[in-house]
Amino acid sequence: QKEVEQNSGPLSVPEGAIASLNCTYSDRVSQSFFWYRQYSGKSPELIMSIYSNGDKEDGRFTAQLNKASQYVSLLIRDSQPSDSATYLCAGSIHNQGGKLIFGQGTELSVKP
Amino acid sequence: SAVISQKPSRDICQRGTSLTIQCQVDSQVTMMFWYRQQPGQSLTLIATANQGSEATYESGFVIDKFPISRPNLTFSTLTVSNMSPEDSSIYLCSVPGDLNTEAFFGQGTRLTVV
Repeated sequence: QKEVEQNSGPLSVPEGAIASLNCTYSDRVSQSFFWYRQYSGKSPELIMSIYSNGDKEDGRFTAQLNKASQYVSLLIRDSQPSDSATYLCAGSIHNQGGKLIFGQGTELSVKP
Repeated sequence: SAVISQKPSRDICQRGTSLTIQCQVDSQVTMMFWYRQQPGQSLTLIATANQGSEATYESGFVIDKFPISRPNLTFSTLTVSNMSPEDSSIYLCSVPGDLNTEAFFGQGTRLTVV
């Protein structure tokens, strides 16, 4: 099992729909998780952090963490064409702040 | 979050040569990290640049191929040595955020080896 694994893409949703991105992780990964957005040719941009069980909402984005299932997800409500990008799930390594393990990324395409 | 500047932003290099990438941060940070992103792939951690000591390399990466310097708390360099086309990637430096968990990235260096 990969240490951080994302659902395979690409994912295509119509404009205005909810996009759901999922990620599972192994025991080596700590309880801190992050979602990055990466536009083509650009560096990753942090959009959500989640540290505790449950949901965390920020605007159109909701991150969900389920420690028992070792599962983290990102929901994008009212998806816009500008949300089209690759989304990277990352987890921190126990006691090694700032050092992250990334999933393989999910490419999202929002169709007008 | 810190402002991270990398240079060069891109380069095309001949095989067998070396390229040094610079990373400058606008504030002092204890840890700096170097990642590689191969075409169409996710990010893989190369090493942790430690100030005052040797870098710590991840499995599959060695100092002879990727020497790293960290002369102070705001600057680091990564050298890609004896390059081959397989080294064509984006190289990114990152620093932890204020909570010391998340990571913020420079704009990356897009390297093409011909």
